[in-house]
Order: sequence, then structure tokens, then C-alpha cells
Amino acid sequence: QKEVEQNSGPLSVPEGAIASLNCTYSDRGSQSFFWYRQYSGKSPELIMSIYSNGDKEDGRFTAQLNKASQYVSLLIRDSQPSDSATYLCAVTPTGGYQKVTFGTGTKLQVIP
Amino acid sequence: DGGITQSPKYLFRKEGQNVTLSCEQNLNHDAMYWYRQDPGQGLRLIYYSQIVNDFQKGDIAEGYSVSREKKESFPLTVTSAQKNPTAFYLCASLSGRSYEQFFGPGTRLTVL
Repeated sequence: QKEVEQNSGPLSVPEGAIASLNCTYSDRGSQSFFWYRQYSGKSPELIMSIYSNGDKEDGRFTAQLNKASQYVSLLIRDSQPSDSATYLCAVTPTGGYQKVTFGTGTKLQVIP
Repeated sequence: DGGITQSPKYLFRKEGQNVTLSCEQNLNHDAMYWYRQDPGQGLRLIYYSQIVNDFQKGDIAEGYSVSREKKESFPLTVTSAQKNPTAFYLCASLSGRSYEQFFGPGTRLTVL
């Protein structure tokens, strides 16, 4: 079982719609959770961090964490073509905050 | 501006040659990382360092070497022992306060 799993996609949504990206993780003691956006040929850019159960909103982005289900998601409201990228989920495992584990990413395509 | 710089942006190497990739940060972060990303793949950890003069192997350390003589610098050497070095190399540092990782712009290495 992979430590951090994401659907590779592509996930296609029309412009203006809500994009929902999902991630599951295997280490029940994981402490910190992150979403990165990576444009083709570029390095990952941190867009959201979440540390406790519930929702965290930042502009058009909402991260949702459910530790009991070992599930973290990212919602993008009013999706724009510029949101088209690969979104990486990252998790800090139990006791080893220095070693972050990344999922393989979900490719999002926003159709104008 | 605080951030992470990597050089060069593109690097071409002949088979049998060692090459060194530079990574510098002025974020005052203790921990630094090297990842490798292949087309359509996730990030794989090569080496990481939690403090000056100390570093640990990641998941794919064979054929690579690192040093950490200064807090700001974490160079990666790709040796001739690395059988398939063509990839996108990413350096990152970790905030000890938020546990967020921040990436440099990357170095694209091609073996001719």
C-alpha cells in the first residue's frame, strides 16, 4: 500500500465549477498535511497547509482534513484555466516531521 | 527576498562524468532536501539533512552524494555510478515552525 495515494487523473472540470481533489494516507499518526500545485516543467508551489480536523479556507481554496478516515481533500471554487496543473498531496509521518511523503499527484484540467 | 536558489537551470552531462548541482537558501531553515522527479512521476527523496554536517539517505541515494558544510548550502553530486540520472532535480528546505517545505526552481539534468 502506498503511503499517500491520489488519483492520477486527469480530472476535467468546466471553468467556474468546483474542482475536488482527494488524497488518502496510510500512517494514522500523521501530523501535518499539505497541498502543492505544480505547473508543467516547474517546481511545486505550496498552496495550503492543514494540521487539525475540519476545513481551512484561503481564497478560492479549501482544504479538508478527516484524520479518522485518513483523508484530506482540496476544493477549488470558481475554477479557472490557470488552475490547470498537477496537485500534489504531502503528509508528515508520525514522529518524523523532517521527512515529508508526497503523493504522485492529480492532474487537473479546467476547460474554458 | 527570502527563498531557495538552484543552479544551473539546465545541465548536460556526458556518461561517466560527475556533476554537482547547487542549492542555496536564505530562509534560515535547518532541514534541506533533494528530490528527483521523472516525467509523469512523483517526487522521490534522494538525501536530506536536518542540521549542518549531518545528512541521511533517502529512498534512492545510490549514485548520489551530498555535503552540508553550511546551513545555507546543500549541494548534490550526481556520480557516474548513477545509471539513469536524466531527471528533474528539486531542492527544498523545511520550516521548523510550520513544517512546510519550500522548493527551489529545479535543475533539469540530461545525460548525453
